[in-house]
Parts: sequence; structure tokens; C-alpha cells
Amino acid sequence: GESVGLHLPTLSVQEGDNSIINCAYSNSASDYFIWYKQESGKGPQFIIDIRSNMDKRQGQRVTVLLNKTVKHLSLQIAATQPGDSAVYFCAENIPGNQFYFGTGTSLTVIP
Amino acid sequence: GAVVSQHPSWVICKSGTSVKIECRSLDFQATTMFWYRQFPKQSLMLMATSNEGSKATYEQGVEKDKFLINHASLTLSTLTVTSAHPEDSSFYICSARNPGQGFGETQYFGPGTRLLVL
Repeated sequence: GESVGLHLPTLSVQEGDNSIINCAYSNSASDYFIWYKQESGKGPQFIIDIRSNMDKRQGQRVTVLLNKTVKHLSLQIAATQPGDSAVYFCAENIPGNQFYFGTGTSLTVIP
Repeated sequence: GAVVSQHPSWVICKSGTSVKIECRSLDFQATTMFWYRQFPKQSLMLMATSNEGSKATYEQGVEKDKFLINHASLTLSTLTVTSAHPEDSSFYICSARNPGQGFGETQYFGPGTRLLVL
């Protein structure tokens, strides 16, 4: 299968700080990427997505950056809150294929 | 919106019995739904792609006779775990694409069904 990996399996940040979660993907043909948030015992929740013809996309308190040169994706969360504590997955879509999910990063926000 | 529901959310069954899990898209029609399996502290593993009106496409290593998928309508897909065994205990999650929202390829996930086989 394809390889979508995360650099850091766990991340702890102070409440109010910014969080950056990284993701490396291996297939240069991937044209669409999504970040999901999964809280314990729940299904993944869509956060933000980006197409390969973009290098940045912003949502509410979240920004996704895409660097196709080095096949790297990141999720930035501004002013991290305790409710942001969860596991974050990146997923890549290869045209005509399925989504492949990374291993996940567990984010813990320290009050 | 793009709401996906699953039922039941929790199921405990005896070894050898069959369990059916339903996945519904509540506010949109989904020609394609996906079934995933997730073990604790691990990522989602795609099991199969469910296509309305046709046979499901299973990923390599997934037994189609054990995990029966039926996509009966544009809003309902079911996964039946037949003759369940303790090793089938897992968190099963479905997702659906909403072609009418966002980039179209986006998958929206259900809340998951936790299966425990005794």
C-alpha cells in the first residue's frame, strides 16, 4: 500500500499555543489531502482539505500547508484549546484509488 | 451538511453469531460508501468499498464471505460480520462521499461501531 506517515506520534502543547502536526506522503500522484480529527471512541471528523494545486488553505483556527516538492503536509492549529486534544490523521487520495491514512498523531493540550 | 450515522454504536455478541452494522447518509445520497476497521491506537484500515447497486470491492486480505456488504440504497450500506470470533472485535467505521459538497472526494465518517465478540 501507499505510505502516509507522521513525523511525531505524540505532541503536547500548552493551552493557547499554536500546534503543528506534520505528515509525509509518498505518492507524487496524490492530488487531494484531508486532515481528520478523531476523539476517543468516535469516528474521524473532517477538519480541512487541500488540493494538490494549492499550497495553503485556511479554515477557522486551522491552516493546512502542502509542500509537493518534499511531499509534506502540515496542520497548524492556532491558539490550541483543551478540546483540540485528539488523534489527528492525514489522508491522501490518489486519483482513481482510495484514501490512505497515516498512522496518526496524538495531540494533548495542557491546561 | 454531511451527516453519516451508524447503528448500533455498541454490540457484544457470542462467538459464532453474525452481527449486522448499518451505515446511513442522513442528508445526502451516497453512491459510494466505505468500511474501515480500526484497532486501538492504530490508523484506519480500509476493508471494502460499497457501491450502490453493485458488488462491493474488497481490499486485499479481507474475506468477502466473512464481511458481507450490501449497499441497498443511496443512503444505506450494511456490513455483516458472519460467524464472528474474538479476533473480529474491533471498531468498525463507515464513511460516505458527498459529491455535492466541497471537493466531492471528501469522505464523511460515521461515529463508529464497537464490536466485542466473547
